Amino acid sequence: QQQVKQSPQSLIVQKGGIPIINCAYENTAFDYFPWYQQFPGKGPALLIAIRPDVSEKKEGRFTISFNKSAKQFSLHIMDSQPGDSATYFCAASTTGNQFYFGTGTSLTVIP
Amino acid sequence: GAVVSQHPSWVICKSGTSVKIECRSLDFQATTMFWYRQFPKQSLMLMATSNEGSKATYEQGVEKDKFLINHASLTLSTLTVTSAHPEDSSFYICSARLGGNEKLFFGSGTQLSVL
Repeated sequence: QQQVKQSPQSLIVQKGGIPIINCAYENTAFDYFPWYQQFPGKGPALLIAIRPDVSEKKEGRFTISFNKSAKQFSLHIMDSQPGDSATYFCAASTTGNQFYFGTGTSLTVIP
Repeated sequence: GAVVSQHPSWVICKSGTSVKIECRSLDFQATTMFWYRQFPKQSLMLMATSNEGSKATYEQGVEKDKFLINHASLTLSTLTVTSAHPEDSSFYICSARLGGNEKLFFGSGTQLSVL
């Protein structure tokens, strides 16, 4: 059973556009929601994370929107650049326990 | 962020041989490390959870005798693929949790190719 559902599977945007990647979860016990960025042949790198006590968190060009009642959270990338082309994974966990990852979104930013 | 070093980055071996992959937390003590397997264009599949000084906890379907995990110190965990076969070819990634913190940091991964 997929604990975290992620969409879309792939996304293509023009440079400067705002790609949005969505994730949904079922387990209301999850209390930590990170996003990871992965380039080909590399391990995932922590991008930004949020806890359910806030509805939005922004770090640079990356913003997480969190909707606790809908059990959904999303990643927005402002002013996207070709260098942002990568695979993005959302995840969810309860403190001290394992992480559950989404299926990933392959983002391509066209110059 | 915290640094997790994983070696080797890639390895090619003959079928039937064993391969060891190392995962080190360079600037923090990791009481828990995780090992993942990733197939091309797919998500991370958790193989096992490794706790320092105790036996690893394997996920369902993962052969513990084939994928030996050792977490002998707070900064080092190793994964040994024993008697490797072509179907074991994959991208293996380790990760470490920063103490009691929720943050999870990943190594750079190891591409294993078994001929």
